[in-house]
Amino acid sequence: DIVMTQSPLSLPVTLGQAASISCRSSESLVHSDGNTYLNWLQQRPGQSPRRLIYKVSNRDSGVPDRFSGSGSGTEFTLKISRVEAEDVGVYYCMQGTHWRTFGQGTKLEIK
Amino acid sequence: QVQLVQSGAEVKKPGASVKVSCKASSLPSNTHGISWVRQVPGQGLEWMGWISTRNGNTIYPHKVQGRVTMTTDTSTTTAYMELRSLRSEDTALYYCARDTGGGEDSWGQGTLVTVSS
Repeated sequence: DIVMTQSPLSLPVTLGQAASISCRSSESLVHSDGNTYLNWLQQRPGQSPRRLIYKVSNRDSGVPDRFSGSGSGTEFTLKISRVEAEDVGVYYCMQGTHWRTFGQGTKLEIK
Repeated sequence: QVQLVQSGAEVKKPGASVKVSCKASSLPSNTHGISWVRQVPGQGLEWMGWISTRNGNTIYPHKVQGRVTMTTDTSTTTAYMELRSLRSEDTALYYCARDTGGGEDSWGQGTLVTVSS
């Protein structure tokens, strides 16, 4: 099974500052169809998960452009350019290339 | 975006079964299937399996294979997940989510299943 490893697991950030979360997979996430199915999810307190980014770098509808995704192969990054109060929650990377595996989650909080 | 509405909370005794439903507002042509994910309170996300909304094929991870069955009723755009031989470790929030190919873009509100004697 593919293992997804996130870092850091806890991320205290000052409002307006940038934040970055890393995600590493134990195998390449390049699918035989040429796509890389690496997604980023946000789970705000008390809410269902919400997808922010799909296929490494594509923002879902309604997602602010301060969120961006990058990476390839086995190394991926989610960046938030200027953290706002509404960004508090847990962020998960999830691979969809070899069925589904989630990272452990990164808890973002405001300092 | 597709809306997914799940059935209400359940309380079950160890050894019993539970069946959770997930009704989709629609199943557009870009829908590949429905995934089920669970989350023990305060913990991370765990994939429980996937069912194709096109042909009913299913995939289950080894951890729950043999105890879980996923089905769909395309006439009512409803998906179901049944989990059998429940144990206390199965106490969790269960989510359904729509797969558009390699990822889920819409999630249900979650169904809390509590297993307790």
